Amino acid sequence: KAGVTQTPRYLIKTRGQQVTLSCSPISGHRSVSWYQQTPGQGLQFLFEYFSETQRNKGNFPGRFSGRQFSNSRSEMNVSTLELGDSALYLCASSRWVADEQFFGPGTRLTVL
Amino acid sequence: KNQVEQSPQSLIILEGKNCTLQCNYTVSPFSNLRWYKQDTGRGPVSLTIMTFSENTKSNGRYTATLDADTKQSSLHITASQLSDSASYICVVSAMEYGNKLVFGAGTILRVKS
Repeated sequence: KAGVTQTPRYLIKTRGQQVTLSCSPISGHRSVSWYQQTPGQGLQFLFEYFSETQRNKGNFPGRFSGRQFSNSRSEMNVSTLELGDSALYLCASSRWVADEQFFGPGTRLTVL
Repeated sequence: KNQVEQSPQSLIILEGKNCTLQCNYTVSPFSNLRWYKQDTGRGPVSLTIMTFSENTKSNGRYTATLDADTKQSSLHITASQLSDSASYICVVSAMEYGNKLVFGAGTILRVKS
């Protein structure tokens, strides 16, 4: 069974630009969660989607948004990028909310 | 104040030795507590998941314990190997917040030969 895949793996953007990251969950998994990981802050929860509906949201500004499609694939978007948005963005999928999560390899975003 | 505190922040041990990582949490009530291992540059991988009624769970050389009364968990690694070098993250699922996961900052373990 294929694991969680995230694209792209690496991304370099400049301040003010926007970016879209993609996550394909494990087949059969309907819940997708997004996290931001930085050396100083650890893993920070962004949001969780289940069956195309946002179920939970972390404490991030409105520049961070996401969505989930009918095939459970998910995207997250960050608009008006800031230097502080440089981080590893991780996606995790599970069969349903609160079930065991399986993480993807992450997308390393660098904002210059 | 973080609701999940891990200690130590970092640890260096010799190959073959045992070690114990600590996790103290204030999240209550919770549905489960998880330990993840994260290798550098990779996503976290689940080691154990325990519900509030479980006291211990093992996964090979990894044994997690849970004391729901004192709100403490530990991860014990037996006969450490170089490949155990990673960050170990304690995560609590908060029932009050729709089972949202609350992450500890992690313990960075380095195993030396």
